[in-house]
Amino acid sequence: DAGITQSPRHKVTETGTPVTLRCHQTENHRYMYWYRQDPGHGLRLIHYSYGVKDTDKGEVSDGYSVSRSKTEDFLLTLESATSSQTSVYFCASSSLPGGSYGYTFGSGTRLTVV
Amino acid sequence: QKEVEQNSGPLSVPEGAIASLNCTYSDRGSQSFFWYRQYSGKSPELIMSIYSNGDKEDGRFTAQLNKASQYVSLLIRDSQPSDSATYLCAVNPGGSYIPTFGRGTSLIVHP
Repeated sequence: DAGITQSPRHKVTETGTPVTLRCHQTENHRYMYWYRQDPGHGLRLIHYSYGVKDTDKGEVSDGYSVSRSKTEDFLLTLESATSSQTSVYFCASSSLPGGSYGYTFGSGTRLTVV
Repeated sequence: QKEVEQNSGPLSVPEGAIASLNCTYSDRGSQSFFWYRQYSGKSPELIMSIYSNGDKEDGRFTAQLNKASQYVSLLIRDSQPSDSATYLCAVNPGGSYIPTFGRGTSLIVHP
């Protein structure tokens, strides 16, 4: 009964190729977020959305773009993947801004750029 | 730069003991505080939230908040091996509704 799913779960891609990660939620949450998690850095916000077609940058947005055409879907695109973008990517959603009562996270996507 | 600091650990405690995890934050205007548990290879899971000074208890977990000293802690009573995980502290800075996460503390509960 996962309320938020990510696809793919694992991906290996080559440097310079475009990559799109998908996040799908069935909670009807207005707010959605993309984070990356790296050893020594913790969770860092890439982009977030506060409604359909409304998005904004997080602290590590360079090299990433997002789109949200429907409430339930939030896409993260790496326009030209680099090795520094090898990471675990988590999507999260919340009914209130910024997870005022906490986030629900997806299961994550492990991306390797070779 | 709004900072949230945690000792990376690992913190090792025997089964049945109390595990104490600490987190300090830099922004005095912070209003919302969260603890997430993350098992290895899994996503973070919210276990506690606290918004006012004092203690908040939920089963074996107690969150403690001291805004004057700018720290929040998580106590786990009667620790079990299944509590072994990384615990992430998250703080909503004042004026922002986006939380800042600490890097997490690894907890190991040994039988």
